Amino acid sequence: KNEVEQSPQNLTAQEGEFITINCSYSVGISALHWLQQHPGGGIVSLFMLSSGKKKHGRLIATINIQEKHSSLHITASHPRDSAVYICAVRGSGATNKLIFGTGTLLAVQP
Amino acid sequence: DTGVSQDPRHKITKRGQNVTFRCDPISEHNRLYWYRQTLGQGPEFLTYFQNEAQLEKSRLLSDRFSAERPKGSFSTLEIQRTEQGDSAMYLCASSADIRLSTDTQYFGPGTRLTVL
Repeated sequence: KNEVEQSPQNLTAQEGEFITINCSYSVGISALHWLQQHPGGGIVSLFMLSSGKKKHGRLIATINIQEKHSSLHITASHPRDSAVYICAVRGSGATNKLIFGTGTLLAVQP
Repeated sequence: DTGVSQDPRHKITKRGQNVTFRCDPISEHNRLYWYRQTLGQGPEFLTYFQNEAQLEKSRLLSDRFSAERPKGSFSTLEIQRTEQGDSAMYLCASSADIRLSTDTQYFGPGTRLTVL
């Protein structure tokens, strides 16, 4: 079993829909990251969370440390949101290395 | 553009050949990471440098893999005697010292390796 699990693996939505991507983890963490990866490889950090909730534009990320669960929400989705969204956790060790989920492939259709 | 660059962006090689990739991190970042990503999977940690010191290596990093960061700035990742299973995207990331409470990792565009 992977240490970081994401669901769903694939998601197709219509433009304007509210989207939720879930992430569960089984290890102790010091922070959780949500990342976006477009075709061709480039990865961009969207959020880093250690508690509570963060909002940036139409994106909202929440984390529940007790339940070891995080969600990424996209409001009023747009075709340009189409990408792979990856959850990654930073362990409690000293290296700051990230442990990644397998990603959620999101396609937003106009 | 995150400020992290990687070269080359694509590399096609024949099995058994050696390849070397370069990563130039954001200049003030003292932490540098290498990850490997295969198709349909999330990235996996390979190794980590703090300044010029290689502080951690994954068990994924076999003896054929070596990484250096000689002056604490750019880093190289070399794969000797490449195998088809080495085909993947190799990602580099850098971050500032966590003691500054700024640990966001900035990723380069990756080097896609294809071993024929």
